[in-house]
Amino acid sequence: NAGVMQNPRHLVRRRGQEARLRCSPMKGHSHVYWYRQLPEEGLKFMVYLQKENIIDESGMPKERFSAEFPKEGPSILRIQQVVRGDSAAYFCASSLGGGNEKLFFGSGTQLSVL
Amino acid sequence: GQNIDQPTEMTATEGAIVQINCTYQTSGFNGLFWYQQHAGEAPTFLSYNVLDGLEEKGRFSSFLSRSKGYSYLLLKELQMKDSASYLCAVKSNTGKLIFGQGTTLQVKP
Repeated sequence: NAGVMQNPRHLVRRRGQEARLRCSPMKGHSHVYWYRQLPEEGLKFMVYLQKENIIDESGMPKERFSAEFPKEGPSILRIQQVVRGDSAAYFCASSLGGGNEKLFFGSGTQLSVL
Repeated sequence: GQNIDQPTEMTATEGAIVQINCTYQTSGFNGLFWYQQHAGEAPTFLSYNVLDGLEEKGRFSSFLSRSKGYSYLLLKELQMKDSASYLCAVKSNTGKLIFGQGTTLQVKP
């Protein structure tokens, strides 16, 4: 029973390029959450999605960032025209439902912008 | 607004007991979670409280007082492997989990 799978584990991009981070939730989970973490800091909420729907995107920057969770396939966090300040660990989590269900986290993608 | 506060760092001795406090002010409450995170790794679930009182699970216990907006995580019989960050998080009414900054615990021999 595979857990939450994120890839790539490490991603290096030059300023101005696009970054695509993928997340496959645990089997049977239809709720996906994306978080961002800087060194020595807590997890900052970015976006919460269900299949084909964005439930809460209050933590997403207004520009360059987008997220989707299609009917088939993984959830994608897309960052266009990356800047050095986008360098961080991006964690994906999934849950069975949206109520009091606990979140299971993936191992994260470490994005480095040169 | 959303505000979750916990101490930044704590140090304790192997075999001892440590209590990590968390206070919160959030618009909406659907439970409080504690996660453990070792450096460079994914957070892992430790405990969940939605009603007032103490939840015990082995060496770890978690307490919640909703009227005071307060929780603590109690770790007993500390082991060196318990050195990690401990994250307090509140589930909002919309379903998202809002995290505090985390408490880095260092266990010394």
